Amino acid sequence: DQQVKQNSPSLSVQEGRISILNCDYTNSMFDYFLWYKKYPAEGPTFLISISSIKDKNEDGRFTVFLNKSAKHLSLHIVPSQPGDSAVYFCAASAGNQFYFGTGTSLTVIP
Amino acid sequence: DTGVSQDPRHKITKRGQNVTFRCDPISEHNRLYWYRQTLGQGPEFLTYFQNEAQLEKSRLLSDRFSAERPKGSFSTLEIQRTEQGDSAMYLCASSLGGAPILPTDTQYFGPGTRLTVL
Repeated sequence: DQQVKQNSPSLSVQEGRISILNCDYTNSMFDYFLWYKKYPAEGPTFLISISSIKDKNEDGRFTVFLNKSAKHLSLHIVPSQPGDSAVYFCAASAGNQFYFGTGTSLTVIP
Repeated sequence: DTGVSQDPRHKITKRGQNVTFRCDPISEHNRLYWYRQTLGQGPEFLTYFQNEAQLEKSRLLSDRFSAERPKGSFSTLEIQRTEQGDSAMYLCASSLGGAPILPTDTQYFGPGTRLTVL
């Protein structure tokens, strides 16, 4: 059973515009959420995280929003840059295991 | 470079052979995780260690798979009698750790070992 879902396999955005990547989860016990970025032939790289006690966390161009009632989180990248083109995974944990979504491939068009 | 390292980066083997992968975590990280990732999927949890103790194993980890972390530093993942379905990217990650898991206990991933079983 897929407890963390990323329903958009791909997203294309013009350089300078906002990229919004979405993630839904089913387990209400999840209390820590993360976004990872992955380039081809590399392992995932940590990007940003949020605890369930918060609804927003910001780090430079990256902001993660958490809506617990909707069991939904999103990653906003603004402004988007060509170097942001990668696969983005959201992940959630409740204790000792992390559950990953299937990823969204972001392409930022120059 | 003080990140997570994995060796080898690529492994091609014939069905039925045994393979072993190594992971060196970030020093002072207590937790070490193994994941498997297939095409179009996110990483799937296999097992994790707190220091040298293997604390949890996924149902994905059949009895042909065994993982060790003998001194609480590097870890090995062995697959015996490989099958074509074992072809995947095997990822290792480490985190600072603590019990219970800390809100800031972010996992840092290695580059992975890509296994191809012919």
